[in-house]
This record gives sequence, structure tokens and C-alpha cells, in this order.
Amino acid sequence: GIQVEQSPPDLILQEGANSTLRCNFSDSVNNLQWFHQNPWGQLINLFYIPSGTKQNGRLSATTVATERYSLLYISSSQTTDSGVYFCAVEYVSYNTDKLIFGTGTRLQVFP
Amino acid sequence: EPEVTQTPSHQVTQMGQEVILRCVPISNHLYFYWYRQILGQKVEFLVSFYNNEISEKSEIFDDQFSVERPDGSNFTLKIRSTKLEDSAMYFCASSGGLRRTNYGYTFGSGTRLTVV
Repeated sequence: GIQVEQSPPDLILQEGANSTLRCNFSDSVNNLQWFHQNPWGQLINLFYIPSGTKQNGRLSATTVATERYSLLYISSSQTTDSGVYFCAVEYVSYNTDKLIFGTGTRLQVFP
Repeated sequence: EPEVTQTPSHQVTQMGQEVILRCVPISNHLYFYWYRQILGQKVEFLVSFYNNEISEKSEIFDDQFSVERPDGSNFTLKIRSTKLEDSAMYFCASSGGLRRTNYGYTFGSGTRLTVV
């Protein structure tokens, strides 16, 4: 099956710093989503990004499907950005699609 | 923005008991899913459901698990005889159809199941 790997596994930042999270996947995929899991365990959808670049405030994401990777940029990080960031790729089979999640990047932002 | 609603948010049950986790997907979505996340691990696919039947299930989804869409709005996951290792966060998700819309999959807030 498809392998989805994220790096780094852990990231510690001071408030105001910028960061880049990476997601590599082993096979062609239909689409890709980035999620933020907050301290309460909720999965918050950040981006649905099959290719190209999208921006939402301090966050932006780029997916290069031909090279099988996606990047999530966080600028001017805040303590509320803390949590685990997951990328998930959409795997298509003949009768259903599903998301395959990566291993996650745990981000801690300190004041 | 439309939401996927899950209840309860937290459930504690004794080993061997049956539990039913409930979800209300987005109303015009056609595909429904359950995922599981054991504490500290990644989110894993359990089952997908379309047109009142299971489309695909993972190895985790054994005979102890079942899903149902009893009416036009609810989607449930039943665990017949819970084990300690079933303790996890269970997420329900829905999507508009194959080859997705711009919004992809929408996840509920999860039910944290604790088996004691």
C-alpha cells in the first residue's frame, strides 16, 4: 500500500518563528489534505491540495504531485499553532476512495 | 460551514460491553467513513460506506465491528464486545463523492472511547 511519511517528527519553535513541514508519499495519489490536530484531539482541515499552492493567512501549502511530496509552511508561529500536523493522501480503488494518513509532525510553540 | 457531528464526545465502558458510536454526516454527502486513532499514533482507516453497504474495510474492522445507516441522517459504528485495545479516538468522516469536491473529506470532532 501507499506509504506516507512526514518530517520532522517533532518540532519545537519559539513564537514568531517560521517552519516548513514535509510530507512524502510513495505512489501517485488523487488528492492530499493537511490537518491540524489540536490538544483536544479534533482534526481541523487546513488544506485540500492536489497540486499547486494555496494560502490561508499565516499558513500555506504546496503539493508537487509529480515528485510525490507536499509542504506546509507556517509563518510567524503562535502558541495556538501547537499540536500535531497530519498530511493524508487520497487513495483511489475501484469502488471507494479513502485517506491514508501520515505519521504526523508534533509542533510545540513556546512564548 | 457544514459539520460532521459525533456523539458522545467521550465514552467509558467495561470490557465485554457493546458500544454504539453515533455520527451525523453532512446532509448532501454520499460517502461515509470511520477512522481510529490510538493514543499517540496516526489515524487509521476502518471502513467506508456507500449506498447502504460497506465499500471497503480494513484488517482492523473484524467481526466485532459493524456499521449502519439506520435512517437518512445517522451513521453508527457498533463494537459488540469491547476489548482494552479498542480504546482510541474514533472519527467519523463524510465526503461528497468519488473524485472529490474542493472540500475533500470532512471529519467530526471524534469520540474518545475508553475501555476499562
